This record gives sequence, structure tokens and C-alpha cells, in this order.
Amino acid sequence: DGGITQSPKYLFRKEGQNVTLSCEQNLNHDAMYWYRQDPGQGLRLIYYSQIVNDFQKGDIAEGYSVSREKKESFPLTVTSAQKNPTAFYLCASSIVPGNNEQFFGPGTRLTVL
Amino acid sequence: GENVEQHPSTLSVQEGDSAVIKCTYSDSASNYFPWYKQELGKRPQLIIDIRSNVGEKKDQRIAVTLNKTAKHFSLHITETQPEDSAVYFCAAPSGSWGKLQFGAGTQVVVTP
Repeated sequence: DGGITQSPKYLFRKEGQNVTLSCEQNLNHDAMYWYRQDPGQGLRLIYYSQIVNDFQKGDIAEGYSVSREKKESFPLTVTSAQKNPTAFYLCASSIVPGNNEQFFGPGTRLTVL
Repeated sequence: GENVEQHPSTLSVQEGDSAVIKCTYSDSASNYFPWYKQELGKRPQLIIDIRSNVGEKKDQRIAVTLNKTAKHFSLHITETQPEDSAVYFCAAPSGSWGKLQFGAGTQVVVTP
């Protein structure tokens, strides 16, 4: 299961705290993505980045922030402004340009206590 | 942007029977249609994809068909086995550079 990794696997947060989820890939992919998955629901795009030092909001960006300082890394910060952050978070990467397979990390399950 | 609808949301089949999941999309310019399988608590993994220059693609017990005129594509699983039990997601390109719009998913349960 190499290629794209996420840490931690489980994360517990108290209300009002910011937390950062890690995503690293060694596939030399330019594009990286963050998705949120809620029970019984599909994948909703939070943020995506097509190249280093550039990123764009997805469909549900409010309460989240990202950075892309290195090609290999795309960390996601869940801020206290996110009203309902408990979810399964998935990071993915792909070759661009063009439409190609997205490779997913193993995910981080975030629970707000 | 692209809108992808997926049906059914749950599908229960007897082992050995076939399963079919259908997705519709809205953008006629879309040209890439992947299917992902997600087992409980695991990451989604690509099982098959199709590009708009072909109408069907097969890989062992799995096949995908594409109808560009009607803007829908379907996943067919034949001779289902218990290990086929999972959530299946379809997707279509959304805007530029690799973005995908995912369907809501289909929970497939294969009963022995």
C-alpha cells in the first residue's frame, strides 16, 4: 500500500481546536485532492491542487484550509470554523493534464469529542 | 459543473447472479468514466474505467458500458462472489485538470 499515505489513521479533536491531517505521495503526481466522506454518502471535494504553490476550493471548502509547499505533500487543516468535522477524510493524487486514475490514501477518521 | 447520479443506492444479489449499477452524467463533453470499489473502512480503488472513444470494456467478471447519446454508463458484475460486497462509486470529469465528480455510491451485498 505504498504511493500515497495519510496520517494519523484516527484523530480525536476537542471542539474549538484546529487539527492538521497529513497527506504524502511519492508517485510524482502534480495534482492532489482532499475529499470528505460521511457515512452512507459519496465523496465530496474539499480542496484540490494542480501544481505546487497553487490550490483551489472544492465544493465544501468552508472551515478547511490547505497548503502545497512541496509536490509530495498536501496537508489539510480542519479549523474550529468547521461546524461538523466528524468524518472520514481521503486524500488522492493523479497525473495531469488530462483525466486519469486518482490514487487514494488510506484515510483519516476524525472524531470531534 | 458536472452532475453525476448513481442508482440504485443499495443492491442485494444472490451469489452467482449478476449486478448492474447505472450512472448518468450531465456534461456531454465528459470523456472519462472510472468506477471505484470501496470495502468497509478502506480506501476507494479503481476497478475499471472507460474513455469516450469506446462503448464497452471488460476485465474478467467486470464490464463497463457507455452510451454517450443518452449520457449514461453502467457497471456490470457477473457471477458475483461474496468478496464483491462493497460500495461502488462512479465518477465523471468535472471542470479542468483531473477533477472528478463522484456519484453517491451503491452498497452491493452478495449473499451466499
